[in-house]
Amino acid sequence: DAKTTQPPSMDCAEGRAANLPCNHSTISGNEYVYWYRQIHSQGPQYIIHGLKNNETNEMASLIITEDRKSSTLILPHATLRDTAVYYCIVGNYGQNFVFGPGTRLSVLP
Amino acid sequence: GAVVSQHPSWVICKSGTSVKIECRSLDFQATTMFWYRQFPKQSLMLMATSNEGSKATYEQGVEKDKFLINHASLTLSTLTVTSAHPEDSSFYICSAGPTSGPQETQYFGPGTRLLVL
Repeated sequence: DAKTTQPPSMDCAEGRAANLPCNHSTISGNEYVYWYRQIHSQGPQYIIHGLKNNETNEMASLIITEDRKSSTLILPHATLRDTAVYYCIVGNYGQNFVFGPGTRLSVLP
Repeated sequence: GAVVSQHPSWVICKSGTSVKIECRSLDFQATTMFWYRQFPKQSLMLMATSNEGSKATYEQGVEKDKFLINHASLTLSTLTVTSAHPEDSSFYICSAGPTSGPQETQYFGPGTRLLVL
């Protein structure tokens, strides 16, 4: 079973920030938090990952709480092309990733 | 980021035939690759772990004689669906992560859609 819990769906207005939450209360000390997204009929696309510090790249920001039991993925200026299913995964490199149902983000014009 | 390719992107075959799907890491070497299957409106489910130079490890409920995996090199893993049946119709996705250099994450292929008639 997946070690993460995400809301099944969210809406976001185009141009606004999309904040996607994820709970991972049973995360182990050496496990990373990964975020991927899947656009219809495509393979999952890597977005960002982190261990304990907040991370930012050209796609998104990842905010991890100090106790590491939850995190938030932030898409700063959502576009229609960001409509996808977003998966939050905890695990280690080299091991298989266990996918939950994810959050279906709909960016609305 | 690193690139993982799959071939073919889609395939239609008759029931009883075998289909081979290739997964390649284009710009890195991967000791381990993973094969997932995704049915409509469901999430990805791990089928097997492919290890270069050794036998694959299959998840419970996945028939190893039906889904043959060969990981003959550090850049190529193949999944062969033998004697395919309509219930094998699905979206097959592989993933891999670099064996050396900056690691810490995996990259997924674009997927192969299989339709068995």
